[in-house]
Amino acid sequence: GAVVSQHPSWVICKSGTSVKIECRSLDFQATTMFWYRQFPKQSLMLMATSNEGSKATYEQGVEKDKFLINHASLTLSTLTVTSAHPEDSSFYICSAVPPREETQYFGPGTRLLVL
Amino acid sequence: AQRVTQPEKLLSVFKGAPVELKCNYSYSGSPELFWYVQYSRQRLQLLLRHISRESIKGFTADLNKGETSFHLKKPFAQEEDSAMYYCALRRGGSNYKLTFGKGTLLTVNP
Repeated sequence: GAVVSQHPSWVICKSGTSVKIECRSLDFQATTMFWYRQFPKQSLMLMATSNEGSKATYEQGVEKDKFLINHASLTLSTLTVTSAHPEDSSFYICSAVPPREETQYFGPGTRLLVL
Repeated sequence: AQRVTQPEKLLSVFKGAPVELKCNYSYSGSPELFWYVQYSRQRLQLLLRHISRESIKGFTADLNKGETSFHLKKPFAQEEDSAMYYCALRRGGSNYKLTFGKGTLLTVNP
């Protein structure tokens, strides 16, 4: 089956620093990946669609300069939280869609805590 | 804009009892509906999709366009079914974007 990994699984950083989260499709190539944010006991909120070789598409209300997305290869998308603040603390989840499938496969998530 | 509503945050049943997790949606076009499940400390995974019309782990879900519902059902719940269940909608077409409901936490008691 399709496997998606994320790194790191958790990260603690100081306010004002930037944090990069990686999302990799391990056994397939993905032209499209998605980044979600999940608050405690709440649903997944789509932040952006990551497109290989082109700019990401951000959902309404998501600051593109705050959450930088790079999809430089068919197996890797990165989300960089720039100048992180405590309110950015959350659980970030990525997903990827294998070729010829219409199903999203999810990574295990990255828990970010900004102090 | 599309919306997915899961009216129950929590649902608790006893082992062997029937279970139904409700999902209603609003979308003007032809949606594709999914159920995702998240077991404790595990990632989100697809349980079933309405197009497949299949039964997974004893669960079934039928898309009712008249009632705009996609309820998830299982006749005899098992303790290992305890998990968070999310209903999700994908708009028709090649866009893979999903809109998720808020989820229902199912607890199956022994």
